[in-house]
Amino acid sequence: DAGVTQSPTHLIKTRGQQVTLRCSPKSGHDTVSWYQQALGQGPQFIFQYYEEEERQRGNFPDRFSGHQFPNYSSELNVNALLLGDSALYLCASSSPQGNYGYTFGSGTRLTVV
Amino acid sequence: EDQVTQSPEALRLQEGESSSLNCSYTVSGLRGLFWYRQDPGKGPEFLFTLYSAGEEKEKERLKATLTKKESFLHITAPKPEDSATYLCAVQLSGAGSYQLTFGKGTKLSVIP
Repeated sequence: DAGVTQSPTHLIKTRGQQVTLRCSPKSGHDTVSWYQQALGQGPQFIFQYYEEEERQRGNFPDRFSGHQFPNYSSELNVNALLLGDSALYLCASSSPQGNYGYTFGSGTRLTVV
Repeated sequence: EDQVTQSPEALRLQEGESSSLNCSYTVSGLRGLFWYRQDPGKGPEFLFTLYSAGEEKEKERLKATLTKKESFLHITAPKPEDSATYLCAVQLSGAGSYQLTFGKGTKLSVIP
């Protein structure tokens, strides 16, 4: 049973560019959340998608946007990249029964130069 | 403001030397407290969820406990493969509250 799959695993972008990260949730899960983890820090919540709608958002600017598709997969888009956006971006999925025991993917390492 | 604080930031143990990691939290209402293990360059791996004060859960050499203000992750007779960063996170109670708020983690090193 495949867990949470994220792509790409690594990415290097230039300041001002735009990036799209992708996530496929664990089989049977319908809710997807995105987190940003800077080096030496805990993950920070960006937003959560359920039924193709953003249902909660963390303290991130509008440059961060997302989408959820009918098959529950999700994309995270970041516009006008800043050096400070360099981080590990984690996708987490959960089951319809509740939000307990989120399953995380291995993440996408984004480096902005 | 809701806060999660983990201590110590780093911990070095000899193989077999038992110890505890602490997670203290200040939140308006707790739905659940989560423990995760994270290896370098990987995503967090789920360990436990605790829901109410007095609850305890065990898995192999790990035991998690919860009080109204903090949680402990006890590691009994650790092995080198237990080396990782251990993250604590809380989910708040209340409608529309889905996010996990994480602490900064405790980096555990177990020396053979």
